[in-house]
Amino acid sequence: QVQLQESGPGLVKPSGTLSLTCAVSGGSISSSNWWSWVRQPPGKGLEWIGEIYHSGSTNYNPSLKSRVTISVDKSKNQFSLKLSSVTAADTAVYYCARTDIVATLDVWGKGTTVTVSS
Amino acid sequence: QSALTQPASVSGSPGQSITISCTGTSSDVGSYNLVSWYQQHPGKAPKLMIYEVSKRPSGVSNRFSGSKSGNTASLTISGLQAEDEADYYCCSYAGSSTYVVFGGGTKLTVL
Repeated sequence: QVQLQESGPGLVKPSGTLSLTCAVSGGSISSSNWWSWVRQPPGKGLEWIGEIYHSGSTNYNPSLKSRVTISVDKSKNQFSLKLSSVTAADTAVYYCARTDIVATLDVWGKGTTVTVSS
Repeated sequence: QSALTQPASVSGSPGQSITISCTGTSSDVGSYNLVSWYQQHPGKAPKLMIYEVSKRPSGVSNRFSGSKSGNTASLTISGLQAEDEADYYCCSYAGSSTYVVFGGGTKLTVL
């Protein structure tokens, strides 16, 4: 079965760029699924960040769109998130997930904690 | 402030049934049968429990059911068990501009 694993720096400086990668195993990123990023600030709820299809098509949360880039690397079977100009408000657990049907995230990674601090 | 409104907490005794509401607008919940529900235990990733308003993924107990009326979706858990104690989030498609929105989450306590 498909498994997802997030990786990337756990600490990012304010005004810097957060960069995370999600490795897909047990299946192909070129399947008929979209691939998503979701975050959860400490003690708070889930926030959808955006998604990508293997063709490179993307959809983003309007509130983050100006700072977010999601990309796909089919050769490595992985997709990535970049969030620029980060502040303490971007401190969160970041999850990658597979989107089966629109707004249906059926497989999730374990999540990775990113702290924005100097 | 989340796009979808959920009660902050609900509680119930083992064996009872509870319902968690998720109120949106005519731009999201009210317009699309694309509501999903997620269960999240502390320190764990969310788990899909219901999709397309009322469908259950393979492996999810039939004690979990979903419905929708107008702009409000609901998750019902029957025969409450201790392991159902968790946070629950609703999620909806919100059109091609906003795309996907989550509720603020509901903490379920099994008394």
